[in-house]
Amino acid sequence: QVQLQESGPGLVKPSETLSLTCTVSRGSINNYYWTWVRQPPGKGLECIGYIYYSGSTKYNPSLKSRVTISLDMSKNQFYLNLSSVTAGDTAVYYCARARSVVTYDAFDIWGQGTKVTVSS
Amino acid sequence: ENVLTQSPGTLSLSPGERATLSCRASQSVTSRYLAWYQQKPGQAPRLLIHGASNRAIGIPDRFSGSGSGTDFTLTISRLEPEDFAVYYCQQYGSSPGTFGHGTKVEIK
Repeated sequence: QVQLQESGPGLVKPSETLSLTCTVSRGSINNYYWTWVRQPPGKGLECIGYIYYSGSTKYNPSLKSRVTISLDMSKNQFYLNLSSVTAGDTAVYYCARARSVVTYDAFDIWGQGTKVTVSS
Repeated sequence: ENVLTQSPGTLSLSPGERATLSCRASQSVTSRYLAWYQQKPGQAPRLLIHGASNRAIGIPDRFSGSGSGTDFTLTISRLEPEDFAVYYCQQYGSSPGTFGHGTKVEIK
C-alpha cells in the first residue's frame, strides 16, 4: 500500500516562504496526480493544487500567485512552496494522491498531515 | 469557483439510526465528479465515495452516495459508533477542486 509522509518546518515567519516535502513510499510517483490540501485550525479543507507526474500543474485561483508545486521523480517526492505567508496560512497541510491513472480524481491516499504555524 | 454547501451543519443521531447528508453545488458538477470523505479528530480525511455513488475500497456498504447535477446525498443506513465524525463533500470536475464546509454527525 502506497504511503505518503509530509515533512518541513513547523514554524514559518510572516512574509517568508513555506516549503514542504511529501515523500511517496511503497509505490511510484509515476502515472498519478499528486495534491496538496490544507486545513486551518477548526475549519474545513481547502485544495491548494496538484501536479501530474508529467510535471503539469493546476492551482487554486485564490493561491495561484503564491504557490508552486513541483516534483522529483528520482527521489519519489513532490513539494509545496507557498510564498509571502501570513497568519492566515496557519494550517495542517496534507499531501494526497488522486486515485486514477487516467484522469484527475478523488483523493484515496493521504499523508498524516503536518502542522505549520505562521508567527514571528 | 464551484461552491459546495453542505447541510445540515450538525446532525445529532443515535447509533442504529439513518443519516442523510446533503451537498449542493452552485454549478453543475462535471461528470458526477463528486466525492465524500470522513474525518475524525486528529486524523487525515478518508475517502468514502467517488464518482457520486462508487464506494472506495474497503468502505462498508452501509455508506451510499447518490445524486447528479447540483444535488448530492450521502446516506449512512445504520450508524455504527465509529461513524460519528465530520463528513466533507468535494467536487473535482473543476480542478483542482473544492470542498464543502462539512457536516458533523454527533451522538445524540
